[in-house]
Amino acid sequence: QVQLVQSGAEVKKPGASVKVSCKASGYTFTSYDINWVRQATGQALEWLGWMNPDSGNTGYAQEFQGRVTMTRNTSIRTAYMELTSLTSEDTAVYYCAKIAIPVFDGFDVWGQGTMVTVSS
Amino acid sequence: SALTQPPSVSGSPGQSVTISCTGTSSDIGTFNRVAWYQRPPGAAPKLMIYEVSNRPSGVPDRFSGSKSGNTASLTISGLQAEDEADYFCTSYTGNSTPYVFGTGTKVTVL
Repeated sequence: QVQLVQSGAEVKKPGASVKVSCKASGYTFTSYDINWVRQATGQALEWLGWMNPDSGNTGYAQEFQGRVTMTRNTSIRTAYMELTSLTSEDTAVYYCAKIAIPVFDGFDVWGQGTMVTVSS
Repeated sequence: SALTQPPSVSGSPGQSVTISCTGTSSDIGTFNRVAWYQRPPGAAPKLMIYEVSNRPSGVPDRFSGSKSGNTASLTISGLQAEDEADYFCTSYTGNSTPYVFGTGTKVTVL
């Protein structure tokens, strides 16, 4: 069964960092990019960036440049997303998603989501 | 900027509902890379339609997608109780932020 399992909910203080993990199973981890998306309450989903698990290459949304880092550990088939200098506006559910490219363009497998709450 | 969807649509079992997703000439209007996702309460999103009108394996043919100009649409025919969920669209943009998402639509089965 193809699935992505994310780490649990986090509560952080403003200015802190958070690192969310995303463990893949059921497919060749290094064959498909992992994307990260978030959704704050009442807001549209927002794309954060992508990572190629094979090369480690990444691409980030401009508004998160300098604050987000996406990495992976291929030996344990896990991708990570770290966001620094947190503010209350970073309170959201964070998702990892496997993109099906090159087969087709769509996020065909999603993690269950990780709630990150930023509060003093 | 997010793609625009109606906040909610509803229908009785067996009816059809259509959800619109309006973008611009820079995203939906240019690229045939629109996808639709279903997210039941408390569950992970599920891909329902990719590249405007294609269904992944396992998605019922009650779900169909189309596009006209800058607007994409998802139609659910023969609405069932299990279809009650949030639905959102996404489009490729070709720029440095390659994917933009819709505002989301809650489908209620009356």
